This record gives sequence, structure tokens and C-alpha cells, in this order.
Amino acid sequence: QITLKESGPTLVKPTQTLTLTCTFSGFPLNTSAVSVGWIRQPPGKALEWLALIYWDDDKRYSPSLKSRLTITKDTSKNQVVLTMTNMDPVDTATYYCAHKKVGGYSFDYWGQGTLVTVSS
Amino acid sequence: QSLLTQPPSVSGAPGQRVTISCTGSSSNIGARYDVHWYQQLPGTAPKLLIYGNINRPSGVPDRFSGSKSGTSASLAITGLQAEDEADYYCQSYDTSLSGYVFGTGTKVTVL
Repeated sequence: QITLKESGPTLVKPTQTLTLTCTFSGFPLNTSAVSVGWIRQPPGKALEWLALIYWDDDKRYSPSLKSRLTITKDTSKNQVVLTMTNMDPVDTATYYCAHKKVGGYSFDYWGQGTLVTVSS
Repeated sequence: QSLLTQPPSVSGAPGQRVTISCTGSSSNIGARYDVHWYQQLPGTAPKLLIYGNINRPSGVPDRFSGSKSGTSASLAITGLQAEDEADYYCQSYDTSLSGYVFGTGTKVTVL
């Protein structure tokens, strides 16, 4: 059974760096073709893909946010970490991590999400 | 600005059939990348509803079906039920972005 859970601060100040951790179980991130991504959703708005990391440490980022994002993994801890620099109130959103379906481009398992508010 | 456009809302009475469109372009749906659909119930995380244009994950009722043609895709819900009231999102891959794109989202209301 695949599960994912996000953790991190619920409130950050403008210009600060956000660090979110996705702790997962039920699959190894060191197996060929396995990957985990981050997606966010501002309140009342649509989903937005942020980043993806593959089993072989290959990384992909949303072009519009690439300069601010870093995604890393720790396979020994079954964790994926996303950092986002220079946070702004427009970055207020629920942040989800998700398992990408092997062999495809869909996200088949999602964490419950964590709401991050950016405010001074 | 999303590269996949959906109608903001659709509605139908219980038992009726509703469809949700997802319009893309030659760099995503038209580039032969698959379309996937997610259902998001109020206050919950998205759930994969349709993958690979037409496939349902285990446990998804066959009332939900997907199709794709050219640069667009559609999700159909037949025999609409009260529990289907949710937000629905399409998703694909875009070659110009080299990344994943989600639709603008559609709220389904059961009258």
C-alpha cells in the first residue's frame, strides 16, 4: 500500500525559504522508473505542478519557478524534500506530494496536503 | 496561466450524463501525450480518476469514462450521483515546458 505524507511549517514570512518534506511508504525510490512530484493549489484555485525527482536523481522543475525550487531525496529515510526560496504571499497554497505512475505521466497516489500560508 | 482549458462549471440532475472538456494544444494533448483526470472532493486531495485517456484505476466506477481526440479530451459521467459533486481536473505533459500541466478545473454540481 502506497502512502505519502507532507510535513513542514504552516506559516512562513515573506522572503523566507520554505522546506517541505514528503515521507512515503509502499515503494522504493531507488527502483527504476519510480518518481515523486510536488504539486500545489492556492485556495480556490487550480493545481500547479512544481517539481519531480526520479529514482536515478534526475530532476524536473516548472520553468516558471525553477530558479526558486530545489528537490532532493533521501532513499534511506524514504523522503523527498522540496525547498522554495524567497516566499511571497502569492505562494500561499496547499502543497501536495504525489507518486507518479510508473510508465506514465499521471500521479496515482497523493498525500493529504499541507497548507502553507505566507504572511508577515 | 494554464495550458489546458476546462469549463468552470457543469451541472446536471441525478441520473443524467454530463461531460467535461479539456482543450489543449499541439505541445501537449495534440503531441499525443495522454490525458489524465482527477476528482477532488471538498477539502480532500485529488484522486486519480482516469489515466492514459481511457483507463480507470481499480475501484473507480464505470460511470466515469474518458476520451481524447486531436488537441482535446473529455470526461463523461453517466448516471450522475450526489457523491459526484466535486472539482475535476485534467492533466497532461507539455513538450514546450518539459513539464506537467493541469487544467483550469471544473466544478460539477448535482442539482
